[in-house]
Amino acid sequence: QVQLVESGGGVVQPGRSLRLSCAASGFMLGNHGMDWVRQAPGKGLEWVGIIWYDGTEKYYADSVKGRFTISRDNSKNTLYLHMNNLRVEDTAVYYCARDRGNGDFFDDWGQGTLVTVSS
Amino acid sequence: EIVMTQSPATLSVSPRERVTLSCRASQNIGNNLAWYQQKPGQAPSLLIYGASTRATGIPARFSGSGSGTEFTLTISSLQSEDFALYYCQQYNNWPPSITFGQGTRLEIK
Repeated sequence: QVQLVESGGGVVQPGRSLRLSCAASGFMLGNHGMDWVRQAPGKGLEWVGIIWYDGTEKYYADSVKGRFTISRDNSKNTLYLHMNNLRVEDTAVYYCARDRGNGDFFDDWGQGTLVTVSS
Repeated sequence: EIVMTQSPATLSVSPRERVTLSCRASQNIGNNLAWYQQKPGQAPSLLIYGASTRATGIPARFSGSGSGTEFTLTISSLQSEDFALYYCQQYNNWPPSITFGQGTRLEIK
């Protein structure tokens, strides 16, 4: 069955960087657009960005544009989120999600990884 | 940015009751709307897409309707496992700029 497993979360100081990974199994990652969605503690869902199935197109929420980068290695069935210049307001659980198309809805989600930005 | 507004924020209902959740878009999104359920400590899971199509394995008691700017999710007879958070999400933009509603919490009366 489809499985998405995020890793790489932790506590980081403001201004530092962190890279999250999302390991996919049970399907061909290279056939799907993939997204990152985050959820601050006790808050709602916020879309972070998307990468096309082949990595040729990437789009981001304004709140992370210029600081976060999504990449993928289809040969390793792995998706990444590179987060630079982290802010306190980036504290959240980060989910990777399989896109049904290119910027559509999400038919599978990982369990999430918590990123805490704090001095 | 398309703003999605869900109402009410919290709904207190009894098991076996019928309940309707609302979601409004700030502009016309056609039928490009999905609904998700999220239980405490879990990731969201897809319920409905295309405003009215149930995802694989979703029970028939869940139904979605609407188009344009007004949408509803109806649960025909609430089961204990349905008490959770529900989010709507629009996917009508190009380039992609996905937005979610703020959520409706279903709690046991």
